[in-house]
Amino acid sequence: DTAVSQTPKYLVTQMGNDKSIKCEQNLGHDTMYWYKQDSKKFLKIMFSYNNKELIINETVPNRFSPKSPDKAHLNLHINSLELGDSAVYFCASSQDAGNTEAFFGQGTRLTVV
Amino acid sequence: GIQVEQSPPDLILQEGANSTLRCNFSDSVNNLQWFHQNPWGQLINLFYIPSGTKQNGRLSATTVATERYSLLYISSSQTTDSGVYFCAVFSGNTPLVFGKGTRLSVIA
Repeated sequence: DTAVSQTPKYLVTQMGNDKSIKCEQNLGHDTMYWYKQDSKKFLKIMFSYNNKELIINETVPNRFSPKSPDKAHLNLHINSLELGDSAVYFCASSQDAGNTEAFFGQGTRLTVV
Repeated sequence: GIQVEQSPPDLILQEGANSTLRCNFSDSVNNLQWFHQNPWGQLINLFYIPSGTKQNGRLSATTVATERYSLLYISSSQTTDSGVYFCAVFSGNTPLVFGKGTRLSVIA
């Protein structure tokens, strides 16, 4: 039973399209995150939600919009996709925002062509 | 913000060899984790270790929070240990900040 699951695993799309990545966690955690891993493998925080409320929004283009319908789900919507958005996107969760172990989904490899 | 530096950036080992990976951080931390990113891209939790020493099979980790570093020991390395090892820290209210990783290749 996967603790943090993302769909889809792979996503290939054309520039200008709008796409969504879904994330669900069954750990009962209060905090969820989106991270971006670039081509050099560097992982950087994009968003953090605690109990459905946005608590961290790093410098991310406003074409990226997270949505949390409940505390078990955090989806990422991306509008007007650009070539530079190609990366691996990871969802993660932790019990609270900072003091407990975080668990990651398997990642979504987004390729914009 | 907090800086996380990992060394070495790259490491090649013969199967059976031992190694030590280092993580230095620039400020006090609430939490420190080690991850292994396998060749399929999955991020596997290795240790949650804000301080002290833990062991899990051939792997062990030590964090000396007062001196702002953590070490990951891999003993009797196997080809399945290949991948990228990340150290990541929570500091204050900031979510996990990752180092750039150590890329390990274990050769048979």
